[in-house]
Amino acid sequence: AQKVTQAQTEISVVEKEDVTLDCVYETRDTTYYLFWYKQPPSGELVFLIRRNSFDEQNEISGRYSWNFQKSTSSFNFTITASQVVDSAVYFCALEKDSSYKLIFGSGTRLLVRP
Amino acid sequence: DTGVSQDPRHKITKRGQNVTFRCDPISEHNRLYWYRQTLGQGPEFLTYFQNEAQLEKSRLLSDRFSAERPKGSFSTLEIQRTEQGDSAMYLCASSLEGQGLKNQPQHFGDGTRLSIL
Repeated sequence: AQKVTQAQTEISVVEKEDVTLDCVYETRDTTYYLFWYKQPPSGELVFLIRRNSFDEQNEISGRYSWNFQKSTSSFNFTITASQVVDSAVYFCALEKDSSYKLIFGSGTRLLVRP
Repeated sequence: DTGVSQDPRHKITKRGQNVTFRCDPISEHNRLYWYRQTLGQGPEFLTYFQNEAQLEKSRLLSDRFSAERPKGSFSTLEIQRTEQGDSAMYLCASSLEGQGLKNQPQHFGDGTRLSIL
């Protein structure tokens, strides 16, 4: 069975702090995809990144970076120099190869205070 | 570039009534998905279409739920005889089919928030 765990329910930081959101996944498949989505108060899920199981290279996009480690089944997300606009709920998700459906974690609510 | 559009944004109805939601995917996307999200939880998969064919339905989709995508473009999700437990955000997503990594990620709409009185 596939499962995604986001143990951090809520994180509060002060603007300009770095923050890491944890994601641990479970799957027996060798081919799968991992995702991060952002859900601001408006409700729309915004796609941030997708990684496939064969690519463990870390990725950086502006202030965002992702660390994928198969050895620990983790796909963590770091925001550097956080801003108030980063406040949202962040979801990690898993997709089994060609299964079409995303399996989401329960999300981490990030509050960035000015 | 028009994103996924859902209508209505909010729906309040009495228990036992029928409701219908509409989703308009990104125009060239041939795959369309419905998810349900309850408060404090991540979205849960309900069903999936490739063009007009409904290829998978979750066990969460009881016989009171029906989804259609008649011409492979927009989709509707109907809930009959609504119950209190149906209160949730209903999210629609779409994507473009491809091979392996060419499968495009799912892009979501703003959702329809359903409240059952």
